[in-house]
Amino acid sequence: RKEVEQDPGPFNVPEGATVAFNCTYSNSASQSFFWYRQDCRKEPKLLMSVYSSGNEDGRFTAQLNRASQYISLLIRDSKLSDSATYLCVVNMGTGRRALTFGSGTRLQVQP
Amino acid sequence: EPEVTQTPSHQVTQMGQEVILRCVPISNHLYFYWYRQILGQKVEFLVSFYNNEISEKSEIFDDQFSVERPDGSNFTLKIRSTKLEDSAMYFCASSVSGRNTEAFFGQGTRLTVV
Repeated sequence: RKEVEQDPGPFNVPEGATVAFNCTYSNSASQSFFWYRQDCRKEPKLLMSVYSSGNEDGRFTAQLNRASQYISLLIRDSKLSDSATYLCVVNMGTGRRALTFGSGTRLQVQP
Repeated sequence: EPEVTQTPSHQVTQMGQEVILRCVPISNHLYFYWYRQILGQKVEFLVSFYNNEISEKSEIFDDQFSVERPDGSNFTLKIRSTKLEDSAMYFCASSVSGRNTEAFFGQGTRLTVV
């Protein structure tokens, strides 16, 4: 099983749509969770951390389900500028500092 | 807004040559990292560095790689004898602490080995 698994997409959605991405992780001892965004040939940019109680930042909502080892990202009212690859990123804990990246889910928002 | 900066943005080198990639982490951050991303693949961890020593490294980070913090601001990755398969985007990152805090990435150095 991959350490961090994501549906690669692409997700093609119209402007204004709501879209959800899911991610599963293999290590139950994982400690911290993030969504990053990556534009083509650019660096990963932090979108938001994911907290156990769930958290929201404007149009973006992240949820964590530790029992199912599952993380989600919901984007409401999609904009053209949301087109990017969304990376699920996990710190696997157990003394590790490294971040483990999923392969990313590609989103294309269309006019 | 403080940011991680990397130089050069693109480096072309011949197989077998040594390269040094440079990074200036965010000034109050204590943990520094190198990651790489081969074209079309996921971002992979190479090494983390804290208190002037390596704190963790991956299987990719073999004897041909080394890291150094030569002064108070720079953080470097050296590849001793480059191979074709070292061609990738190399990202430097830094974080305030090692766990449960976000890492911020530089814009990357695209290394092309010919």
